Amino acid sequence: DIQMTQSPASLSASLGETVTIECRASEDIYNGLAWYQQKPGKSPQLLIYNANSLHTGVPSRFSGSGSGTQYSLKINSLQSEDVASYFCQQYYDYPDTFGAGTKLELK
Amino acid sequence: EVQLVESGGGLVQPGRSMKLSCAASGFTFNNYDMAWVCQAPKKGLEWVATISYDGSSTYYRDSVKGRFTISRDNAKSTLYLQMDSLRSEDTATYYCARQRQVAPFDYWGQGVMVTVSS
Repeated sequence: DIQMTQSPASLSASLGETVTIECRASEDIYNGLAWYQQKPGKSPQLLIYNANSLHTGVPSRFSGSGSGTQYSLKINSLQSEDVASYFCQQYYDYPDTFGAGTKLELK
Repeated sequence: EVQLVESGGGLVQPGRSMKLSCAASGFTFNNYDMAWVCQAPKKGLEWVATISYDGSSTYYRDSVKGRFTISRDNAKSTLYLQMDSLRSEDTATYYCARQRQVAPFDYWGQGVMVTVSS
């Protein structure tokens, strides 16, 4: 199975700040990478797919980048509604695997 | 609007069975693969099983092979997960999710909690 290593595990940032979350795959996943946002008590919501494509309705302050084994999610101008956990997922190869998550809090 | 609504969770004893359902609406159900993804309390996400759009192919994570069965009824736009020989480590919230081949889970249900305990 492809292992997804996500960092940091937790993150504290101020309103308006730019935040970056990293995800490293144990082998090349050829941009088969998605990012999800999960608010407390809610189901995950797709933010980014194919490493850098924004899902329908997702604010443009979210962006994804990367290639090969290294990927990142950037949130520009952090808003209060961005407080959540974020997960990366590779879907290049079965079984689909997720990173352990990053919990984002406001400072 | 895409909607996925799970049902059927609850408390079950180890070794017993439980069947989850997921009613889909707002899209052409038989055009999409569907999946179950679980999340143990305070833990991360784990893919459980996927079924192809026509039900002809199914895939399972190793820990549930031989115990869980994913199925679908395209006439009713409903996805199922039959869970047998349940173990305490199966305790989790189970989400149904829509998926295309080699693609992310683009829509998720609200989730249903399954607790395996005596």
